[in-house]
Amino acid sequence: AQRVTQPEKLLSVFKGAPVELKCNYSYSGSPELFWYVQYSRQRLQLLLRHISRESIKGFTADLNKGETSFHLKKPFAQEEDSAMYYCALRPYGQNFVFGPGTRLSVLP
Amino acid sequence: SQTIHQWPATLVQPVGSPLSLECTVEGTSNPNLYWYRQAAGRGLQLLFYSVGIGQISSEVPQNLSASRPQDRQFILSSKKLLLSDSGFYLCAWSPNTGELFFGEGSRLTVL
Repeated sequence: AQRVTQPEKLLSVFKGAPVELKCNYSYSGSPELFWYVQYSRQRLQLLLRHISRESIKGFTADLNKGETSFHLKKPFAQEEDSAMYYCALRPYGQNFVFGPGTRLSVLP
Repeated sequence: SQTIHQWPATLVQPVGSPLSLECTVEGTSNPNLYWYRQAAGRGLQLLFYSVGIGQISSEVPQNLSASRPQDRQFILSSKKLLLSDSGFYLCAWSPNTGELFFGEGSRLTVL
């Protein structure tokens, strides 16, 4: 069965420090992967998707098929990055599978 | 542009009372529609999805039901609420392929 894991429930970093939110998936086919973010009092929204290969708000994520990972990275965290982050897998022709989420707290 | 509206934003209901949460999408036709439940530490659990009017698929057995009376309207219901139905419910839509777009959510408290 398809599954997405995010090992950290809470990740705290200081402003200006690098941040990496881990995501691993299990899927035998070619995956389509996403990162969603929910800022305080805002709706859940797409941050980035692997097929776009773009950087959003300084965040990047690289798909590593060998390690079945899609970690989210940012070299210098900002306080406004504090939010809940969900990694999601969309198996071909099927519904999204979400990870349990990681709450990122960027300390001043 | 497409928008998604979900209401009510908050709801407090007694055990045994009925429930109706509504969701409408504007600016698109024949969207795929979804109801999720968001729980802390457990991510998003898909409850129902619909690919067309009157077509509902249930992902988990529960006390809830869903209906799609119109192309862009999706309703989450219950005849008799349980304490365990308390939670945060999200409506979402997507085109046939691509990302999910979420509503602002409805927080249900069952007392």
